[in-house]
Amino acid sequence: EAGVAQSPRYKIIEKRQSVAFWCNPISGHATLYWYQQILGQGPKLLIQFQNNGVVDDSQLPKDRFSAERLKGVDSTLKIQPAKLEDSAVYLCASSLVQGRTEAFFGQGTRLTVV
Amino acid sequence: GDSVTQMEGPVTLSEEAFLTINCTYTATGYPSLFWYVQYPGEGLQLLLKATKADDKGSNKGFEATYRKETTSFHLEKGSVQVSDSAVYFCALSMRFGAGTRLTVKP
Repeated sequence: EAGVAQSPRYKIIEKRQSVAFWCNPISGHATLYWYQQILGQGPKLLIQFQNNGVVDDSQLPKDRFSAERLKGVDSTLKIQPAKLEDSAVYLCASSLVQGRTEAFFGQGTRLTVV
Repeated sequence: GDSVTQMEGPVTLSEEAFLTINCTYTATGYPSLFWYVQYPGEGLQLLLKATKADDKGSNKGFEATYRKETTSFHLEKGSVQVSDSAVYFCALSMRFGAGTRLTVKP
């Protein structure tokens, strides 16, 4: 089966610019996660969707980050405006059942803010 | 809220040595516990999981037991190989620890 697809793989932007990341989860997976992984740290959960509803966005910096999951399938994560400290790898993952079954991860988008 | 605390390392071992990476958790209810691994240049992938107390997850010679009395899920392997060199993450439901980098020398 096809894995979790993410694009782009790499992105370099200047601070105060905006950027968007796209994720296509594994077909049939109701749960979708976005993570931020700063170099040398563990992945930090930004937002969790169940179908097209938000389950947990407690760690999402809502003043600059937004995310949506259209029709309960694809998802986009946006940063506007970006800050230097947003430089990280943004990971998307999906699973059949939230928190109980294996989550499958995409390759991630490496964002560099200069 | 729910969280995991993981031994951060880095850990360097010789081939065939015994490995333990500690993970403790704080949780309400009965969450599932996971170990994920990130090999150099690759994405995160599930290593093993346990869904309830006293469950033992195992895969590729690695084991971890879900211990409610000590709120722990320590990762163990009896004899590590060079190919086990990677970063290991403990996770509670889908919240991750800081990761432990393991390097195995021949």
